[in-house]
Amino acid sequence: DAGVTQSPTHLIKTRGQQVTLRCSPKSGHDTVSWYQQALGQGPQFIFQYYEEEERQRGNFPDRFSGHQFPNYSSELNVNALLLGDSALYLCASSLGQGPYNEQFFGPGTRLTVL
Amino acid sequence: EDQVTQSPEALRLQEGESSSLNCSYTVSGLRGLFWYRQDPGKGPEFLFTLYSAGEEKEKERLKATLTKKESFLHITAPKPEDSATYLCAVNYGGSQGNLIFGKGTKLSVKP
Repeated sequence: DAGVTQSPTHLIKTRGQQVTLRCSPKSGHDTVSWYQQALGQGPQFIFQYYEEEERQRGNFPDRFSGHQFPNYSSELNVNALLLGDSALYLCASSLGQGPYNEQFFGPGTRLTVL
Repeated sequence: EDQVTQSPEALRLQEGESSSLNCSYTVSGLRGLFWYRQDPGKGPEFLFTLYSAGEEKEKERLKATLTKKESFLHITAPKPEDSATYLCAVNYGGSQGNLIFGKGTKLSVKP
């Protein structure tokens, strides 16, 4: 049973550039959530996608955008990168978007902005 | 004010020395409390979900309990392979479907 997969594993960008991160949910899951984890901190919620629409959003600027495809996979896009965007970006999947549903995380994408 | 607070920030144990990690929360309308284990540079690995006060769950050397204001993760006779950061997260009425995480407790178990 394939778990949550993310690509790429690592990414180095410079300030002002744009980046796209990808996520494939665990088999049977239809909801994808994205989190940002700075060094030494817990993950912070960015947004959640269900039925190809953004359903919830955390306290992140519009530079952060996303997409969900018909096969439930998802992309996270970040424009005009800042040094402070350097972090581990985590994708989590669940079955449905309800609050009781357990979220399973992928290995993450380590983004470094120089 | 942090909604989820974990203590201690770091914990060093000798192999076989049992202890507990604490997760306190201030949110109302808790819908679920989740424990995850995270190894360096990797994504969090799901451990337990607790839904109501008094609930307990066990997995190998780990036991999670929940009260109305906090949760404990008890580690019995830990081994070096239990070394990791343990994250606590809550889902409540105001957060809808997303998780609010604490900063984690970094556990080191020495042989």
